[in-house]
Amino acid sequence: QQQVKQSPQSLIVQKGGISIINCAYENTAFDYFPWYQQFPGKGPALLIAIRPDVSEKKEGRFTISFNKSAKQFSLHIMDSQPGDSATYFCAASMRQGAQKLVFGQGTRLTINP
Amino acid sequence: DAGITQSPRHKVTETGTPVTLRCHQTENHRYMYWYRQDPGHGLRLIHYSYGVKDTDKGEVSDGYSVSRSKTEDFLLTLESATSSQTSVYFCAISERQQETQYFGPGTRLLVL
Repeated sequence: QQQVKQSPQSLIVQKGGISIINCAYENTAFDYFPWYQQFPGKGPALLIAIRPDVSEKKEGRFTISFNKSAKQFSLHIMDSQPGDSATYFCAASMRQGAQKLVFGQGTRLTINP
Repeated sequence: DAGITQSPRHKVTETGTPVTLRCHQTENHRYMYWYRQDPGHGLRLIHYSYGVKDTDKGEVSDGYSVSRSKTEDFLLTLESATSSQTSVYFCAISERQQETQYFGPGTRLLVL
């Protein structure tokens, strides 16, 4: 059972454009929503994370928008650069117990120069 | 990779054989995790540990066992490898609940 659904599976954006990746979750007990970035041959690395008490979090060119009522959150990459080309995963977890992350299926992002 | 090593990095094995993957950390983090990554599925949690000798099952634990006898080492064993266990396996560590998980470089396993 996929508790976090991510779209699109792949995305091509021109350099300087805005990349948008969307995720939807089912379990209302989730209260931590990180995004991970993965380059080929490497392990995922935390990019940015949000908790449901805020609707938006920005770090440089990366912004998470969070809609608690719709159970959706999205990653926006402003002024996308070729170096942003990677696979992006959204995830969710609950506060209780160990941090058992539930990941989305991933989005392969390509930024064309 | 935040002081995390995985060994081996690549392995080819035959169906029915046991396989053990090792994760070693130098960060003294409490929590350790094993994930598998497959196309179309993202990463899925196999087992995790919240302390020495304290482990629990994740989402896809069937056919896998783990052990943690020291803080720094977390072993994943495929008791009798099957072709469906062909995957890339990642170890991750974290210091506290809902804090950053740091991932290792991965082990690519092919079961023939």
